[in-house]
Amino acid sequence: GPKVLQIPSHQIIDMGQMVTLNCDPVSNHLYFYWYKQILGQQMEFLVNFYNGKVMEKSKLFKDQFSVERPDGSYFTLKIQPTALEDSAVYFCASSRTGAGTEVFFGKGTRLTVV
Amino acid sequence: TQTVSQSDAHVTVFEGDSVELRCNYSYGGSIYLSWYIQHHGRGLQFLLKYYSGNPVVQGVNGFKAEFSKSDSSFHLRKASVHWSDSAVYFCAVKNSAGNKLTFGIGTRVLVRP
Repeated sequence: GPKVLQIPSHQIIDMGQMVTLNCDPVSNHLYFYWYKQILGQQMEFLVNFYNGKVMEKSKLFKDQFSVERPDGSYFTLKIQPTALEDSAVYFCASSRTGAGTEVFFGKGTRLTVV
Repeated sequence: TQTVSQSDAHVTVFEGDSVELRCNYSYGGSIYLSWYIQHHGRGLQFLLKYYSGNPVVQGVNGFKAEFSKSDSSFHLRKASVHWSDSAVYFCAVKNSAGNKLTFGIGTRVLVRP
């Protein structure tokens, strides 16, 4: 079936440095999302993105976070600077339309900030 | 604002038993409901969804769920579990106007041999 690919699967980074998480969404999908999961617990919505713009973001989407999808390539989540509490698994997702269609998730990128 | 409640944090069953995982939601309008499974250390895998039509939806691997508007519920069921069904199950809701999936806290299912 359709797959969302996330690169890398693991990332260790020093606190204060910048990190970019990459997501290759399903090819004909138009809506993109990032979710954060700490220690296998609840999936927390961060942001969704459509037509080159952030549509909605949560309180967890701090000013240090940004997303973009330049020229239809990877959908990226950038954190600059990183903080210890940013350590989590970040899941990318995509869907063809907004309402009523399946949302496909990637396998996640485990980010460890030390 | 939509919310999702999964009342059971942990469920333990024996292989071959049936299981029901409860999910209740709150939202006043048209709604999209889904269930996902997450095996340890893995990403989310889609099980099934409901948006309209038949309130009983069939998913992969023998899972099914029933939507009830009166109870604001979307419980997941399986008639006979296998050890490979041990995982965390997430119920999710999305309103038809928005594009944000809101997840419950998850129910961890342990299937014993």
